[in-house]
Amino acid sequence: DAGITQSPRHKVTETGTPVTLRCHQTENHRYMYWYRQDPGHGLRLIHYSYGVKDTDKGEVSDGYSVSRSKTEDFLLTLESATSSQTSVYFCAISESNGVPQYFGPGTRLTVT
Amino acid sequence: RKEVEQDPGPFNVPEGATVAFNCTYSNSASQSFFWYRQDCRKEPKLLMSVYSSGNEDGRFTAQLNRASQYISLLIRDSKLSDSATYLCVVYSYGNKLVFGAGTILRVKS
Repeated sequence: DAGITQSPRHKVTETGTPVTLRCHQTENHRYMYWYRQDPGHGLRLIHYSYGVKDTDKGEVSDGYSVSRSKTEDFLLTLESATSSQTSVYFCAISESNGVPQYFGPGTRLTVT
Repeated sequence: RKEVEQDPGPFNVPEGATVAFNCTYSNSASQSFFWYRQDCRKEPKLLMSVYSSGNEDGRFTAQLNRASQYISLLIRDSKLSDSATYLCVVYSYGNKLVFGAGTILRVKS
């Protein structure tokens, strides 16, 4: 299995609070991604990174920001969590764009 | 229309059965295709890439039909452990991977 960890694995937070999720990889892959998965929608890309300090938006980026200060770490921040952001969040990595991605174990986030 | 569409199922089959899933994609410029497997409350895992000439990996066979813009996954001799959600994934140059919502397979003894 690819060396990808996510933290925390579970979190319950209140509406309006900031939340940061962390993805850490030991594979030295250039690309890192954040997805959310909701019933009936499949995996949807939030943001991705193609190198240190190089990030871009995905299809559902509103309300989220990211940062990548080191190759191995990619942070996802919900500036002010809303109930619509209750979801399972997956981080993924790949060596380049378009090739298979490998996923972390996921973070289950509940916003009350 | 969604970029990648799959029959959500569930497909309920007995052990030993052969089952096939189809997936259609809307972007004719799509270049790479994959099948992922996702177990309940787990992360998606790459099952196999799909090549133009079709490819096989043990009991699993993947086919690509570019003219009709669909890919398929055939599972022979189904096992209880094959029960999972199967995700169709498509990549178009310059874009990101697009995931289908998944097809649920339940193999019963």
